[in-house]
Amino acid sequence: AQSVSQHNHHVILSEAASLELGCNYSYGGTVNLFWYVQYPGQHLQLLLKYFSGDPLVKGIKGFEAEFIKSKFSFNLRKPSVQWSDTAEYFCAVITRGTDKLIFGTGTRLQVFP
Amino acid sequence: NAGVTQTPKFQVLKTGQSMTLQCAQDMNHNSMYWYRQDPGMGLRLIYYSASEGTTDKGEVPNGYNVSRLNKREFSLRLESAAPSQTSVYFCASSETGQGYEQYFGPGTRLTVT
Repeated sequence: AQSVSQHNHHVILSEAASLELGCNYSYGGTVNLFWYVQYPGQHLQLLLKYFSGDPLVKGIKGFEAEFIKSKFSFNLRKPSVQWSDTAEYFCAVITRGTDKLIFGTGTRLQVFP
Repeated sequence: NAGVTQTPKFQVLKTGQSMTLQCAQDMNHNSMYWYRQDPGMGLRLIYYSASEGTTDKGEVPNGYNVSRLNKREFSLRLESAAPSQTSVYFCASSETGQGYEQYFGPGTRLTVT
């Protein structure tokens, strides 16, 4: 069965540090990829998505992600985090031919001032 | 537009009690979903509905039933609640088709004692 792995379960950073959160998926076919964010006490919101084209995708709030097909990866990056980025981040994959979104287990990011 | 709304926000049940979680969307989406979110496990799909009148099982359907009442509404029913169903439940909706973004509701925090 298809799966999504997020290897960083809990990341702690100081403000202005750079961020990279890993995401790998297991499906070998055509996929669409997403990063969602869940701020404390809130519902999930879309950060960015990749469907096709340029593998470097830019999202909201200065986040970006790079799709590397050969590595089955879609890592999330931000050059300089802020305290307000404290949240849980979920990578998700949907495969062509289905409309089921498969989520990773999430990465909890804490940013300290 | 309200987007995706869910009721109730919080609920405490005793083992064996039943309840229905309500979800509605005003974006004219065809597809609707129910997820549960548990610590360290991300979001797991319970049931989904690709269109009015159709429902399909997701990853963790046992102990739940759903009804797609009309295009706007998709309810989740627990017939006989168990402590293992203590979780946060999210409803989502999307356009039907490949890779459309899912929009999430604010969630229902359910505790079964």
